[in-house]
Amino acid sequence: NAGVTQTPKFRVLKTGQSMTLLCAQDMNHEYMYWYRQDPGMGLRLIHYSVGEGTTAKGEVPDGYNVSRLKKQNFLLGLESAAPSQTSVYFCASSYAGQQETQYFGPGTRLLVL
Amino acid sequence: GIQVEQSPPDLILQEGANSTLRCNFSDSVNNLQWFHQNPWGQLINLFYIPSGTKQNGRLSATTVATERYSLLYISSSQTTDSGVYFCAAASGGYNKLIFGAGTRLAVHP
Repeated sequence: NAGVTQTPKFRVLKTGQSMTLLCAQDMNHEYMYWYRQDPGMGLRLIHYSVGEGTTAKGEVPDGYNVSRLKKQNFLLGLESAAPSQTSVYFCASSYAGQQETQYFGPGTRLLVL
Repeated sequence: GIQVEQSPPDLILQEGANSTLRCNFSDSVNNLQWFHQNPWGQLINLFYIPSGTKQNGRLSATTVATERYSLLYISSSQTTDSGVYFCAAASGGYNKLIFGAGTRLAVHP
């Protein structure tokens, strides 16, 4: 049982390049989330999904797109990377409901030059 | 939306000391979690505690939902307790967590 995994662990992009971050969970969770963490700050929610085929915006969605084609996977895309998107990205998942623990992946460190 | 504030922002302890970290939130919550982010950046679940008290070894947590705060107690601290402790809360639907800015803890031998 791997829990929540993220690919890649680290990536360097040039401004304007695109990339996709992959999150996978094997806990059969309905809800999945993407957060970003900037230096010295807590995590902020980018987008989330409450089920296969559904996505919704969080606190800081601009510049990102997401897709949830399969229940176990949640993809985060950057169409045209900007230096302001340099951050550590965390994926999380939980069972459906308001009172459920969220489980976090190990993070992806992204540097945009 | 809900606001989450943590105090103190920084804490330095000698090994063996006890500490209390505080989390205040601005509205009623249906989810409150405490995390430890270790020096390698990994987020570790400590407690799911929207109300009541829980204990896990040297760590315990109490949330007083009616007064909108939660406390994390660390007893007999060890160097491996170093890192950043985050409180995160959610209100409303879909369990969307709002994180505090964290308390950075350094435990020296």
